[in-house]
Amino acid sequence: GQQLNQSPQSMFIQEGEDVSMNCTSSSIFNTWLWYKQDPGEGPVLLIALYKAGELTSNGRLTAQFGITRKDSFLNISASIPSDVGIYFCAGQNSGGSNYKLTFGKGTLLTVNP
Amino acid sequence: GAGVSQTPSNKVTEKGKYVELRCDPISGHTALYWYRQSLGQGPEFLIYFQGTGAADDSGLPNDRFFAVRPEGSVSTLKIQRTERGDSAVYLCASSQTGPRGNTEAFFGQGTRLTVV
Repeated sequence: GQQLNQSPQSMFIQEGEDVSMNCTSSSIFNTWLWYKQDPGEGPVLLIALYKAGELTSNGRLTAQFGITRKDSFLNISASIPSDVGIYFCAGQNSGGSNYKLTFGKGTLLTVNP
Repeated sequence: GAGVSQTPSNKVTEKGKYVELRCDPISGHTALYWYRQSLGQGPEFLIYFQGTGAADDSGLPNDRFFAVRPEGSVSTLKIQRTERGDSAVYLCASSQTGPRGNTEAFFGQGTRLTVV
């Protein structure tokens, strides 16, 4: 099935550094979402974006919905060890019966204390 | 329950066998989704239920896969004649349905299926 293009595939950073990851799609989405997945767990929603151009923050996380509706980025500021995990972007087109999420392949984040 | 519960957490089966994976959604959530996550990949959509009916089953890979939700709550994903390529983590998610559509989907911890 379709998956979004997410980069980078992995990142190794020092505690306190800022992180940026992005996601692109060949098709338009009405909603962009960012999830974090810890080992042995399901994805947990971090941020949801509903309007093109929207910039939304959740604590140290900031995400933007690209103006073309085909891309999004996630920034994490002042990283801490518990930020370690896999981050997924997901696109969604709601309406009718189509609520399915299309995920990227994920960005594995490692934070060295 | 407090969250989406999936059982079993791990399942090892022999090639050719039949398996059932169970999902207990959050109480009151009318929408239920099944996703499959292979190693190193993001989750891939399988099927979406609104109440008891499968509103979208376009992600089921072939006719060996089938899912039911007979009473609009618990769902079972059934895989016949399992193949080694079916090995993956099967994730279930549920959400409420409001006047503006489905709200945030909450995921279970997944069932890790290994076909040997």
